[in-house]
Amino acid sequence: AQSVSQHNHHVILSEAASLELGCNYSYGGTVNLFWYVQYPGQHLQLLLKYFSGDPLVKGIKGFEAEFIKSKFSFNLRKPSVQWSDTAEYFCAVNGGSQGNLIFGKGTKLSVKP
Amino acid sequence: DGGITQSPKYLFRKEGQNVTLSCEQNLNHDAMYWYRQDPGQGLRLIYYSQIVNDFQKGDIAEGYSVSREKKESFPLTVTSAQKNPTAFYLCASSMSGKGIHNPYGYTFGSGTRLTVV
Repeated sequence: AQSVSQHNHHVILSEAASLELGCNYSYGGTVNLFWYVQYPGQHLQLLLKYFSGDPLVKGIKGFEAEFIKSKFSFNLRKPSVQWSDTAEYFCAVNGGSQGNLIFGKGTKLSVKP
Repeated sequence: DGGITQSPKYLFRKEGQNVTLSCEQNLNHDAMYWYRQDPGQGLRLIYYSQIVNDFQKGDIAEGYSVSREKKESFPLTVTSAQKNPTAFYLCASSMSGKGIHNPYGYTFGSGTRLTVV
């Protein structure tokens, strides 16, 4: 069965620090990969997605993620975080015949002003 | 504006009661999904439907039931058999629910927070 691992449960950074959130998945076939963000009190929003092509994907609000197939990873990065990036971030993958998204357990990001 | 509407936003249920959570979308999406979100556990799939009049169990379907009589609607009933129903419930939809080449991701509703009192 597919699974998604997000290794950091809670990350605390100061503004302007660089961010990297880890995401690893277990599925040997072709996958689509996603990062969602949930700001406090809001619904989940799509940050970025990888379908095919360039493994470095750029999303909204300055976020990017790199798909490394050999490592089964899709880490999320941002060079300089802002207080407004405080949110919970979810990595998700779909693959296989059903096409359902499998989510990681999420990483809470707290950015100190 | 197109989107997914979940209602109510907050719901209180007495033990032993069934409650139904509403999910409506006007995005013309084929597939709809119900997830349960608990702190530290991420999103877990309850039920999904790839087409009208058809639905499948997800990972934690016990104690829940759904129907998909219309493309736009996918209500979730939390039955009295659900042992720990207090949670945040999220509905989502997608343009295509089948196959691995589903690059669209999901559109999520704003959620319903269910509390058993």
